[in-house]
Amino acid sequence: QSVLTQPPSVSEAPRQRVTISCSGSNSNIGSNAVSWYQHLPGKAPKLLVYHDLLLPAGVPFRFSGSKSGTSAYLAITGLQSEDEADYFCAAWDASLNAWVFGGGTRVTVL
Amino acid sequence: QVQLQESGPGLVKPSETLSLTCSVSGDDSITKYSWSWIRQSPKKGVEWIGNIYNNGTTKYNPSLRSRVTMSVETSKNQISLKLKSVTTADTAVYYCARESVLTGVIRFDYWGQGTLVTVSS
Repeated sequence: QSVLTQPPSVSEAPRQRVTISCSGSNSNIGSNAVSWYQHLPGKAPKLLVYHDLLLPAGVPFRFSGSKSGTSAYLAITGLQSEDEADYFCAAWDASLNAWVFGGGTRVTVL
Repeated sequence: QVQLQESGPGLVKPSETLSLTCSVSGDDSITKYSWSWIRQSPKKGVEWIGNIYNNGTTKYNPSLRSRVTMSVETSKNQISLKLKSVTTADTAVYYCARESVLTGVIRFDYWGQGTLVTVSS
């Protein structure tokens, strides 16, 4: 049972937009920065977004992050087949005194 | 390019100690950063185990604190994890990840591919 809640899966056609939500509480998302990771099976997870909305060098601008209250969002615009992967969010939880993660969302490109 | 590689036994018996090593390459100094161990299982999802700071200080997830030990071998560019008294609930893919600070926040900027550890007799 993950502390941060994500939808298990989303799917959309190529070139369309998907948005993944990550819902938490005041002790994590509500008061700390959120990061997002892309995970292809058998590969190392890759940092996509940090500090809620910043992209590391090399991450396509098709990816964007946002946050409102105790929820964070990852949007992928112009969806491509290579974007098929699992995506999970993370934040520090001040009450648990630990990093907490979302359960992950599988993105399928139809 | 920084690379992390986890290694260790893929099978551990219940009540024994799980021992893993994370080898870091392409990084000029392992002591410049903090390093986390994170695991993922179908039942528990992604779970942070703890981290070790560049000064050797450790911080463990309270849910695992009594069983976890982390250390750094700077001469070998390796970080180690020991988890004692394992049960089947500790079966998971274990990852090591580098923590870096940018814009005042911590992010996990590099991860290993993970190693599957199964706890079974």
